[in-house]
Amino acid sequence: QKEVEQNSGPLSVPEGAIASLNCTYSDRGSQSFFWYRQYSGKSPELIMSIYSNGDKEDGRFTAQLNKASQYVSLLIRDSQPSDSATYLCAVPLYSGAGSYQLTFGKGTKLSVIP
Amino acid sequence: SAVISQKPSRDICQRGTSLTIQCQVDSQVTMMFWYRQQPGQSLTLIATANQGSEATYESGFVIDKFPISRPNLTFSTLTVSNLSPEDSSIYLCSARVGDDTQYFGPGTRLTVL
Repeated sequence: QKEVEQNSGPLSVPEGAIASLNCTYSDRGSQSFFWYRQYSGKSPELIMSIYSNGDKEDGRFTAQLNKASQYVSLLIRDSQPSDSATYLCAVPLYSGAGSYQLTFGKGTKLSVIP
Repeated sequence: SAVISQKPSRDICQRGTSLTIQCQVDSQVTMMFWYRQQPGQSLTLIATANQGSEATYESGFVIDKFPISRPNLTFSTLTVSNLSPEDSSIYLCSARVGDDTQYFGPGTRLTVL
């Protein structure tokens, strides 16, 4: 069964530290990868997408992709209490005929401690 | 990007009744989806809302329980029928922009008594 796996946490980091969130996926055919942030009681918000092996940086966020290892991660530098949320990894899992379903991991709950 | 609105934002319903949730996107999109998120859980895809044809349902979800309409490229509705307490959840509308980027509406929190 095609899956997206995340460590559910909770992950606690002190303010100012680097938070590292990890995700593995099973479908080698996946070409795009997404990170969503979900605050408690809110809907998921897209924060990063990555398509190529290597790193992609956007402000304090860096997404890292290693397709050979089927691994994608999100680094949050200089973590702030406002980063406390659940982070969802999402990967398109193809079902044939060019169609796919965006499949979500269970999410990692991050707490940034002031 | 896409801005997605949903109505209602929350509702409390009696067992056996139905609730219809509306989803409006601020631009034309090819793909719209409906997800369910139960407390403390991740997102589960209910169905893909197809414009001009019947929705495509995921395993475990059926049209009689979750009828979906998609009359045009910016609007969809999800009805949750014959409500039971197990249907209490957050229902999320999502739209795909371009080839692969999906955005979510604010969600509808349903409580069934």
